[in-house]
Amino acid sequence: NAGVMQNPRHLVRRRGQEARLRCSPVKGHSHVYWYRQLPEEGLKFMVYLQKENIIDESGMPKERFSAEFPKEGPSILRIQQVVRGDSAAYFCASSPSRDRRRQETQYFGPGTRLLVL
Amino acid sequence: GQQVMQIPQYQHVQEGEDFTTYCNSSTTLSNIQWYKQRPGGHPVFLIQLVKSGEVKKQKRLTFQFGEAKKNSSLHITATQTTDVGTYFCAGPAGGTSYGKLTFGQGTILTVHP
Repeated sequence: NAGVMQNPRHLVRRRGQEARLRCSPVKGHSHVYWYRQLPEEGLKFMVYLQKENIIDESGMPKERFSAEFPKEGPSILRIQQVVRGDSAAYFCASSPSRDRRRQETQYFGPGTRLLVL
Repeated sequence: GQQVMQIPQYQHVQEGEDFTTYCNSSTTLSNIQWYKQRPGGHPVFLIQLVKSGEVKKQKRLTFQFGEAKKNSSLHITATQTTDVGTYFCAGPAGGTSYGKLTFGQGTILTVHP
């Protein structure tokens, strides 16, 4: 009964490099959410995806950040040309959400801690 | 936009003392959820409250949802060292997608043995 899986758990990048964060939702869940957490702060919503669709990306920075959730494979959060301010914990959550009008419980993965040098 | 505020930001208690964290939303919420995050860990779902004035208990934890559905509280009776962590409330951000959550900034609880 695997929960949400994220990898890598820790990622170190130099400024200007690309970061790719992966998230495999709970089996059977078709909705994925990405959140960013700075030290001693709450989680900030970034993007909400359903298989092959971006439902809401209102929390995503306009540049350098992109997300996808392909038909096959994990969801990917991609950060291009990373800067020091991108250092944070990035959490993925999934929910079954068969009805988008219902508030389903979100199950969080262990997170990826990104450090930009 | 919607804001969810939590107080206090930090709480230090002696083991055995009670603890309460409060959550206030700038808008009426259809429901509120509570999560716990251990140091270095990830948020773990605790409970969801839906009804106005609802009170739910989980062993030593008591959750309340305000009558106006704009505030909530979590009370822990007789804290233990295993209660250490950050407690977050979260409400649906609304708009066109019902999935995304707006989190409070959390209350960091430390328990001294």
